[in-house]
Amino acid sequence: ETGVTQTPRHLVMGMTNKKSLKCEQHLGHNAMYWYKQSAKKPLELMFVYNFKEQTENNSVPSRFSPECPNSSHLFLHLHTLQPEDSALYLCASSQQGNYGYTFGSGTRLTVV
Amino acid sequence: GESVGLHLPTLSVQEGDNSIINCAYSNSASDYFIWYKQESGKGPQFIIDIRSNMDKRQGQRVTVLLNKTVKHLSLQIAATQPGDSAVYFCADYNSGYALNFGKGTSLLVTP
Repeated sequence: ETGVTQTPRHLVMGMTNKKSLKCEQHLGHNAMYWYKQSAKKPLELMFVYNFKEQTENNSVPSRFSPECPNSSHLFLHLHTLQPEDSALYLCASSQQGNYGYTFGSGTRLTVV
Repeated sequence: GESVGLHLPTLSVQEGDNSIINCAYSNSASDYFIWYKQESGKGPQFIIDIRSNMDKRQGQRVTVLLNKTVKHLSLQIAATQPGDSAVYFCADYNSGYALNFGKGTSLLVTP
């Protein structure tokens, strides 16, 4: 596999569920990002990891919990979500110093 | 706050015509700009980028123009093809933060 892979592609969860989104990059990059994409809104930066260290938390509610066990993997743990959290969640990676991010195809999340 | 935005939410062009997608930014400290294309069901895909010390950069069928005086960015697509139909995003970057994206313009290419 090449590029950035996100799983699952689609996820439907209840407000009391706990689920995780997974992102894996095969590009040798050292920075990874979570973005939220809602209809008619710009991509919203959620979290930034550089060399496995979280360097940015863009005022994201605590019901979203990121995890970066190594520079190739990024997770987004979800719990007690709200219907307004329904969106496309995009993962991206880059090489530090290079601003050309490579995005995954995203996970389409629906909270019911 | 600082923002990056596109002038029009949708743009319809005929196949073979040239397309111009515009973007305004407000952060005068931005030193890097990038255009992404997002097709349905896919993540954003890099098209072309430009640094603030340049006014113009050309790629294959695409050109990005940067006017720092009026904080305006444009993407020109030559001989637009049906495969160019997608949502186009501009984004800017200033040191210390991640890319900051605009809302996107939906480009529809008609036969």
